[in-house]
Amino acid sequence: DVVMTQSPLSLPVTLGQPASISCRSSQSLVYSDGNTYLNWFQQRPGQSPRRLIYKVSNRDSGVPDRFSGSGSGTDFTLKISRVEAEDVGVYYCMQGTHWPPITFGQGTRLEIK
Amino acid sequence: EVQLVESAGGLVQPGGSLRLSCAASGFTFSSCEMNWVRQAPGKGLEWVSYISISGSTIYYADSVKGRFTISRDNAKNSLYLQMNSLRAEDTAVYYCATGAFDIWGQGTMVTVSS
Repeated sequence: DVVMTQSPLSLPVTLGQPASISCRSSQSLVYSDGNTYLNWFQQRPGQSPRRLIYKVSNRDSGVPDRFSGSGSGTDFTLKISRVEAEDVGVYYCMQGTHWPPITFGQGTRLEIK
Repeated sequence: EVQLVESAGGLVQPGGSLRLSCAASGFTFSSCEMNWVRQAPGKGLEWVSYISISGSTIYYADSVKGRFTISRDNAKNSLYLQMNSLRAEDTAVYYCATGAFDIWGQGTMVTVSS
């Protein structure tokens, strides 16, 4: 199974400052079709997960442009250019290249300092 | 409105059974692969099961294989998860989600305890 490792697990950030979350996979996530099936999700307190980014860097409809995804192979990053109060929650990366099983990272808890 | 709505979960004794439903609306359910994902209290997300559009291809996490059964009824726009031989470690919020994970239900709590 592909292991997804996120860091940090806890991320205190000052409002208006940038934030960055790393996600590393135990093997390359490049699929035979050339795509890399790496998604990012946000889970606000008490809510269901919401997909933010798909295939590494594609932002979902309605997701603010302060969120961006990047990376390749086994190393991926979710960046928030300026953190807002509504960004508080847990962020997960997920790989859909080598499955089953689909695997998620442990989650990174973003809080306001 | 695009949505997935899970049926109520509940409290079940160890070894018991429960069937979850997920009703889809606002999109073409019959064209979507579907998944179940769960989240134990205070823990992260765990993929549970996948079903293809026709239902001909099904996958399970090792942790539920042989105990859980996923199915769907495209005529009723519904997804199901039959859970048998439930264990304490199956206690979690269960979410249905589309194959692309772009639509999620609100989740339903399943508690396995005596």
